[in-house]
Amino acid sequence: DVKVTQSSRYLVKRTGEKVFLECVQDMDHENMFWYRQDPGLGLRLIYFSYDVKMKEKGDIPEGYSVSREKKERFSLILESASTNQTSMYLCASSHPSDGANVLTFGAGSRLTVL
Amino acid sequence: GQNIDQPTEMTATEGAIVQINCTYQTSGFNGLFWYQQHAGEAPTFLSYNVLDGLEEKGRFSSFLSRSKGYSYLLLKELQMKDSASYLCALKNSNYQLIWGAGTKLIIKP
Repeated sequence: DVKVTQSSRYLVKRTGEKVFLECVQDMDHENMFWYRQDPGLGLRLIYFSYDVKMKEKGDIPEGYSVSREKKERFSLILESASTNQTSMYLCASSHPSDGANVLTFGAGSRLTVL
Repeated sequence: GQNIDQPTEMTATEGAIVQINCTYQTSGFNGLFWYQQHAGEAPTFLSYNVLDGLEEKGRFSSFLSRSKGYSYLLLKELQMKDSASYLCALKNSNYQLIWGAGTKLIIKP
């Protein structure tokens, strides 16, 4: 019954490496989001997408980029990882016809940058 | 500005009732969510309030007062599996979500 799948649960990377975080949803949702979650802080929106090949910056896009080539897949890219990008990354999706815009989240990808 | 506050941690006893508060300040309001997140797992949707009042869903209820900028999540007949973080999120006038830092609820036998 998995609906939003994040490819990696745990990653350890070195400073300067390129990092890809993959997210796939099987609910035919138009909207997809990438958040990061840090202790003592609320979820912070990095990027979001309302359609294929469409992307919008969230609150903290610096140091990140995204790709949405297919409706079901939304990738987060760290071009050159830095230690301050050590965090839990959460992918989510929603359907625009859902008036409340309820988010369905993946289980998260915990990234450590050394 | 916009901000949203909730207690960092709460402790309660199995079988009891606990109320988790969430206060907010915003220039525009379009709804308030509660999500549950067990350690190491995805947040899952609990409730959504747009209008003032209490919405009940089994053991969980959520209350909203827009005039006071206040919501609470009420959990009754607490079970050990209710140990989790509870996230409050506000949908502002731009339909963006502003998230609280979450309240870690610890249930003791």
